[in-house]
Amino acid sequence: DAGVIQSPRHEVTEMGQEVTLRCKPISGHNSLFWYRQTMMRGLELLIYFNNNVPIDDSGMPEDRFSAKMPNASFSTLKIQPSEPRDSAVYFCASTQDRGLFGNQPQHFGDGTRLSIL
Amino acid sequence: AQKITQTQPGMFVQEKEAVTLDCTYDTSDPSYGLFWYKQPSSGEMIFLIYQGSYDQQNATEGRYSLNFQKARKSANLVISASQLGDSAMYFCAMREGRSNTGKLIFGQGTTLQVKP
Repeated sequence: DAGVIQSPRHEVTEMGQEVTLRCKPISGHNSLFWYRQTMMRGLELLIYFNNNVPIDDSGMPEDRFSAKMPNASFSTLKIQPSEPRDSAVYFCASTQDRGLFGNQPQHFGDGTRLSIL
Repeated sequence: AQKITQTQPGMFVQEKEAVTLDCTYDTSDPSYGLFWYKQPSSGEMIFLIYQGSYDQQNATEGRYSLNFQKARKSANLVISASQLGDSAMYFCAMREGRSNTGKLIFGQGTTLQVKP
């Protein structure tokens, strides 16, 4: 079975440019999560969707960040304009939530390593 | 307040020995789940093991087992017979029952180094 697919794997761009990260969750999963990982701040949850609807975006650092999930098989995380402090590894994860006693783990993509110069 | 606490930033273990990675959690929800993930230097996040709050027995998966002490709110990961490939960062995470979206709360992680 295909896992969570993220693209690109690496992105290097100059400050001020728009960056778009893409994620295809595992088919059948109904929840999707975007994380950011840095040495200083560890693993941070940015935003998550359930049945394509954004549930909690309180982790989004500022208005420069936006995320969409137009359908069950695709999500994007956009940074505009990008800044050097946005440099990090961005992970997408998905899971099939099964209610109160759900024991399904989140499955992570391989991440996008973003460098803003 | 921290909901998941991993107090050991770094650990060393000799190859073939067992090691315990600590995790304590805080929740008022009677229904919750605890997960452990491994992140090797290559960066991917790998799910290792799950423990439910109502599970009567400690979870085991191969060389991984979970020392679940509900009254102490701890869910320590035990790796038996350590191998060089176990060198990685390990994350403990919790899913609260009131969450119906699969959201996990992660700890800060513990870096494990296995010495030959």
